[in-house]
Amino acid sequence: GAVVSQHPSRVICKSGTSVKIECRSLDFQATTMFWYRQFPKQSLMLMATSNEGSKATYEQGVEKDKFLINHASLTLSTLTVTSAHPEDSSFYICSARIGINYGYTFGSGTRLTVV
Amino acid sequence: AQSVTQLDSQVPVFEEAPVELRCNYSSSVSVYLFWYVQYPNQGLQLLLKYLSGSTLVKGINGFEAEFNKSQTSFHLRKPSVHISDTAEYFCAVSEMGSYDKVIFGPGTSLSVIP
Repeated sequence: GAVVSQHPSRVICKSGTSVKIECRSLDFQATTMFWYRQFPKQSLMLMATSNEGSKATYEQGVEKDKFLINHASLTLSTLTVTSAHPEDSSFYICSARIGINYGYTFGSGTRLTVV
Repeated sequence: AQSVTQLDSQVPVFEEAPVELRCNYSSSVSVYLFWYVQYPNQGLQLLLKYLSGSTLVKGINGFEAEFNKSQTSFHLRKPSVHISDTAEYFCAVSEMGSYDKVIFGPGTSLSVIP
């Protein structure tokens, strides 16, 4: 089945540094990817929709200059958390739509801890 | 804009007992509906989805859900739960005709008691 590979699974970074999270569609082309953020014991909040070859669409309240999204190819989308702060610590998950059956597949998530 | 409500934040149930996890949605247009399961520190796995047709949808791991348009509900059921079903369950909705974004409910934590 369609698989999205997300890396890294865990990352710890210092406050003020930037972190890049990658999501790759392994056996299909993902024209659209979605990035979610999940705080402990909470639901997934959509951050942005990433379309191959165009600018990402951000949800209200999400800082586009802080969460940079790049979708340069049909198999790779990246989320870069710039100048990370402890409040950015969270679980980030990507998702891609799968073809005509209108399903979605999710990456395994990235646990970001900013110290 | 659509929204999803899961009234039960936590549901404890004994092993081999039946369970129902409730989901209600709000939308001004027709929607697609999904149930996902998340195990600790993992991504989400699709249990089942409703796109059209039969309102009773069967999914993986013995789960099923019924779409009720008049009550705007999509409750998830399993006749006999196992310890391995302990996880977080999310109901989700996507508007037909939107650019495909999926909105998740707050989640229900299912704990199966041996």
